[in-house]
Amino acid sequence: QQQVKQSPQSLIVQKGGISIINCAYENTAFDYFPWYQQFPGKGPALLIAIRPDVSEKKEGRFTISFNKSAKQFSLHIMDSQPGDSATYFCAASTDDGAGSYQLTFGKGTKLSVIP
Amino acid sequence: DTAVSQTPKYLVTQMGNDKSIKCEQNLGHDTMYWYKQDSKKFLKIMFSYNNKELIINETVPNRFSPKSPDKAHLNLHINSLELGDSAVYFCASSHPLGRSSNYGYTFGSGTRLTVV
Repeated sequence: QQQVKQSPQSLIVQKGGISIINCAYENTAFDYFPWYQQFPGKGPALLIAIRPDVSEKKEGRFTISFNKSAKQFSLHIMDSQPGDSATYFCAASTDDGAGSYQLTFGKGTKLSVIP
Repeated sequence: DTAVSQTPKYLVTQMGNDKSIKCEQNLGHDTMYWYKQDSKKFLKIMFSYNNKELIINETVPNRFSPKSPDKAHLNLHINSLELGDSAVYFCASSHPLGRSSNYGYTFGSGTRLTVV
């Protein structure tokens, strides 16, 4: 059973355009929602993350929108650049407060930004 | 300095062999993890470990075992390798989240395991 569903599987965006990736989750106990960026041959790197007490978080060109009632969250990349071409993963976890938290990842979106 | 380092980067081995992948972090994190990324890029938790507790994903075969000599190291030992074990294995580490959303995992660059 996949607990975090991510779409689309692949995305092609023109340079300067907006890239939007969506995720939906099932477990209402999730309370931490990060996005990771992975380039070929590298490990995933934390891009931006949100807690459910806010509906939006912005860092530079990257914005997370969070809808708790719909159990959905999305990543918006404004002014997309060719250097943003990578695979993006949404994830979610509970926080047991003891320090260890296991991320459940979506299946990833391969973003290609064309000049 | 690399924050989370894994060795080797590539590992090609025959079915039935036993192999280990090493992971070290110099971030002072309390918790370390192993994730498996399959050919479709799906990332799946295998283990999480801190000084207090080892949590094993129930779907991980018992041929896989984590070994932690100290807080900065979490090695992955695999017995009797099978063709289906071919994947990229990532080590990661983390601080406790607290109430912040600014922390997350720091991943290593991965070990590509090919079983022939």
